[in-house]
Amino acid sequence: DTAVSQTPKYLVTQMGNDKSIKCEQNLGHDTMYWYKQDSKKFLKIMFSYNNKELIINETVPNRFSPKSPDKAHLNLHINSLELGDSAVYFCASSPLWGETSTDTQYFGPGTRLTVL
Amino acid sequence: TQLLEQSPQFLSIQEGENLTVYCNSSSVFSSLQWYRQEPGEGPVLLVTVVTGGEVKKLKRLTFQFGDARKDSSLHITAAQPGDTGLYLCAGEETSGSRLTFGEGTQLTVNP
Repeated sequence: DTAVSQTPKYLVTQMGNDKSIKCEQNLGHDTMYWYKQDSKKFLKIMFSYNNKELIINETVPNRFSPKSPDKAHLNLHINSLELGDSAVYFCASSPLWGETSTDTQYFGPGTRLTVL
Repeated sequence: TQLLEQSPQFLSIQEGENLTVYCNSSSVFSSLQWYRQEPGEGPVLLVTVVTGGEVKKLKRLTFQFGDARKDSSLHITAAQPGDTGLYLCAGEETSGSRLTFGEGTQLTVNP
């Protein structure tokens, strides 16, 4: 009964490859997010989708492309991987967007990406 | 972009000691959240504070939101090894908007 799940848990790949990370939430939430946590543990938002619509797109290289086939899924595709992309990527979801104060975000377990 | 600074960055203490972690900003936040993250896991919400001066308690953890809603603190009484983890504060600029995370405080409680 995992709330927010991500696959794979670990991803090791060569520079220049294209890879995808999948995220699914079974909480019935409207909003999903992708965060990047670097080696210093700094957690930074990359994208946010609300009901399959992109609402936050931080300054992220266009090699990163999120895709939301439905509101329970938000996948992250990365083209031409670079060494600096190595990090832990977290998916999260929350019930609402911009309607009530302080929405709780529920995080997935993370995907550790290592680019060699 | 509003920045949140956490201090200390690293804290290693003995079981039974008390500690305080600080989260500061020059900007005002509509609310502030504290998360704990354990190795190999995602952050888990501990508490949300929304009113300036608000104090919330969660067992041995006491959270306070500054009067001006620019800062917050987390105080742990009689720390236990199970409290070990990365503590993250996160602020919401306006109601229902994105979260900005602090840099985190890595706490280690030694038995």
